Amino acid sequence: DIQMTQSPSSLSASVGDRVTITCRASQDIGNDLAWLQQKPGRAPKSLIYDISNLETGVPSQFSGSGSGTDFNITISSLQPDDFATYYCQQYNTFPWTFGQGTKVEI
Amino acid sequence: EVQLLESGGGLVQPGGSLRLSCEGSGFIFNIYAMSWVRQAPGKGLEWVSVMSGSGASTYYADSVKGRFTISRDNSKNTVYLQMDSLRAEDTAVYYCAKGSLRGVVRKHWDYWGQGTLVTVSS
Repeated sequence: DIQMTQSPSSLSASVGDRVTITCRASQDIGNDLAWLQQKPGRAPKSLIYDISNLETGVPSQFSGSGSGTDFNITISSLQPDDFATYYCQQYNTFPWTFGQGTKVEI
Repeated sequence: EVQLLESGGGLVQPGGSLRLSCEGSGFIFNIYAMSWVRQAPGKGLEWVSVMSGSGASTYYADSVKGRFTISRDNSKNTVYLQMDSLRAEDTAVYYCAKGSLRGVVRKHWDYWGQGTLVTVSS
């Protein structure tokens, strides 16, 4: 199975901060990388697919980058609505796997 | 507007069975792959299974292979997850998720249901 490792596991930040979360795959997954956001008690929401493409309606402060095995999601200016847990996920090879999550706290 | 509505969760004893349903609306159901993803209490996300739009292709996580069966009835815009031989470690919120690209299984999800809780306990 492809292991997805996120760092950090959690972080504290303030509104307006620039935040970057890293995700590393245990093998090359090409472009098959997505980022999801989840708030407590809510379903996940898809934010970014194919490394850097924003889902419809996702604010432009979100961006994704990387290639091969190393990927990032960056929030350029953290907004109150962005405090949540973020997951990376690979859909290159079955079983599809997720990172362990990064909790972004105030 | 795309909507996914899960149902069928509940309390079941170890070794028991349960069938989850996910009804889709707002899109052409039979051309998109549908997946099940679960989340144990306080834990991360785990992919469970996916079925192609036609139903011809299915894939499972090793943790559920041989115990869970995914199926769909495109006339009812519904995908199912039949869960047999349930274990305590299957306790989770189960989400259905819609594939993003028509006719393609190996692609990201674009919409998620609200989830249904399955509790396996005696």
